[in-house]
Amino acid sequence: DAKTTQPTSMDCAEGRAANLPCNHSTISGNEYVYWYRQIHSQGPQYIIHGLKNNETNEMASLIITEDRKSSTLILPHATLRDTAVYYCIVSATGTASKLTFGTGTRLQVTL
Amino acid sequence: EAGVAQSPRYKIIEKRQSVAFWCNPISGHATLYWYQQILGQGPKLLIQFQNNGVVDDSQLPKDRFSAERLKGVDSTLKIQPAKLEDSAVYLCASNREGRNEQYFGPGTRLTVT
Repeated sequence: DAKTTQPTSMDCAEGRAANLPCNHSTISGNEYVYWYRQIHSQGPQYIIHGLKNNETNEMASLIITEDRKSSTLILPHATLRDTAVYYCIVSATGTASKLTFGTGTRLQVTL
Repeated sequence: EAGVAQSPRYKIIEKRQSVAFWCNPISGHATLYWYQQILGQGPKLLIQFQNNGVVDDSQLPKDRFSAERLKGVDSTLKIQPAKLEDSAVYLCASNREGRNEQYFGPGTRLTVT
């Protein structure tokens, strides 16, 4: 699986959009970009995934560049409950595919 | 829909003792994973089951760790004997066949003294 690079930490004011970047310059054509988050003392939570088109769900939006070498997770109106470690992972789909977690970005949402 | 269940939530043992963790995945999820998460790091996959067969156990320390998934539903992860470096959170996850989004349980925090 391709490796990802994320900033170690970011801050965001409550109510503002949180934009979390991820670089995955070695991504293969069959690999998807996945985002998970882990709130303190909980298991990771799936947020969103995409291949090449931008995706949006009730939690977030995922913007993938045209060359697929980077992506941005957008939380449109961050709240204190969005404080967590956010993991960007690239993985091929299929039964045998697995998630390789890095150290992620620690997002701190403040008042 | 009930989530992934794990027990116990916390366990403290002395080194060289044995310990077992239990996981019940979401109903209907064919694939089950066990991860180890050391403090300050992301989760690391230990073993992946598809129904009751092992798909990937390449990162499982087989001299001391074992896992089984009898009947393709719940699963047990065992450590025998435990070492200090096994102190970590052990996470169980599952997903539906054909889908890649994994759903995680709350984890078991193991402290080896």
